[in-house]
Amino acid sequence: TQLLEQSPQFLSIQEGENLTVYCNSSSVFSSLQWYRQEPGEGPVLLVTVVTGGEVKKLKRLTFQFGDARKDSSLHITAAQPGDTGLYLCAGVGSNYQLIWGAGTKLIIKP
Amino acid sequence: GAGVSQTPSNKVTEKGKYVELRCDPISGHTALYWYRQSLGQGPEFLIYFQGTGAADDSGLPNDRFFAVRPEGSVSTLKIQRTERGDSAVYLCASSEQGLGNTEAFFGQGTRLTVV
Repeated sequence: TQLLEQSPQFLSIQEGENLTVYCNSSSVFSSLQWYRQEPGEGPVLLVTVVTGGEVKKLKRLTFQFGDARKDSSLHITAAQPGDTGLYLCAGVGSNYQLIWGAGTKLIIKP
Repeated sequence: GAGVSQTPSNKVTEKGKYVELRCDPISGHTALYWYRQSLGQGPEFLIYFQGTGAADDSGLPNDRFFAVRPEGSVSTLKIQRTERGDSAVYLCASSEQGLGNTEAFFGQGTRLTVV
């Protein structure tokens, strides 16, 4: 069974600070996606990483896929209150299923 | 439509009752997924349709849960003899084909409360 563990589960920091969210597995994924979900909404895709070692940047967000394609990280620089939300990672398994992490609930305090 | 539409947005039902949750995917999307999400948790996979057929229903928790997609577009998730533990947000997503590297688009979900 493929599992994805996200850490931390909850993070509350001040505006302007940096943070990193981790997504780890013992399984290899063909690609990995990061989503952000706001209350009352469905998850929305932020990025897909495909190649081991790949780094993608989306404004203040930096996504990295591990060399072995088993883990990923999301780093936010100078966090802003608008970054508040539930961040979810999802690995694309061998049968094209999305395997979801439990999410990181992020609160950025002004 | 422009996005994935789920109805109703909220459903309150009594324990033991039958409920149906509807999902209208993005036009042309052949893949459709149902997930269940508890507060503060990631989505839990229930079932995946490719066209009209259920390609993977391994996530359905028990035989009280059933889903159909008779014409390869709209899907209905059916829950019989509801239990309080069924309370959750039920999310539907669609994509152009099997997920692979393609994006899944989610609806806003149906919040089911069993009292």
